[in-house]
Amino acid sequence: DIQMTQSPSPLSASVGDRVTITCRASQTISTYLNWYQQKPGKAPKLLIYAASSLHSGVPSRFSGSASGTDFTLSISSLQPEDFATYYCQQTYSTPYTFGQGTKLEIK
Amino acid sequence: QLQLQESGPGLVKPSETLSLTCTVSGGSISDSTYFWGWIRQPPGKGLEWIGSIYYSGSPDYNPSLTSRVTISVDTSKNQFSLKLSSVTAADTAVYYCARHLGSWSYYFDCWGQGKLVTVSS
Repeated sequence: DIQMTQSPSPLSASVGDRVTITCRASQTISTYLNWYQQKPGKAPKLLIYAASSLHSGVPSRFSGSASGTDFTLSISSLQPEDFATYYCQQTYSTPYTFGQGTKLEIK
Repeated sequence: QLQLQESGPGLVKPSETLSLTCTVSGGSISDSTYFWGWIRQPPGKGLEWIGSIYYSGSPDYNPSLTSRVTISVDTSKNQFSLKLSSVTAADTAVYYCARHLGSWSYYFDCWGQGKLVTVSS
């Protein structure tokens, strides 16, 4: 199975900050990397697919990038509704696997 | 607007079979663009993909569960189902059904609200 490792966890930040979450794959996955946001008691929501494509309806302050087996999710200016847990997921091969999650907390 | 809704018992006894159904509304499960999957999340933990199925069949399972899991589809009812046999307390989780793209990025773009299933006697 392909292992996905996220860092940091947790992450403390303030409204207005720029934050970056990193996800590293244990082997090459091309750009088959997706990012999800999950709030307590809710289902995950797709933010970014194919490493850097913004899903429909997602604010432009979210962005993704890739470099080899390292992937990043950036939020340019944190809003109160952005405090949540973020997961990366590889869909390069089955079994599809997720990172362990990064909880973004208010500082 | 596409919606997915999980249904089934919220309490299952150890060694029995967990059975859940996902009903798709606002779209057709026979849409050739998509697969239909199950994902679970134990309380306070991360996400685990269980398996996916195409409308015509041919399920794909997580090898960690393949000996116990069956996913099937009923196009006449616009539903797909999950069965997990010989459950233990470790199978206690929120179970989500979701739609995912059947090609290119395979991203999961529409999820049900989730169904908490507790395994306990």
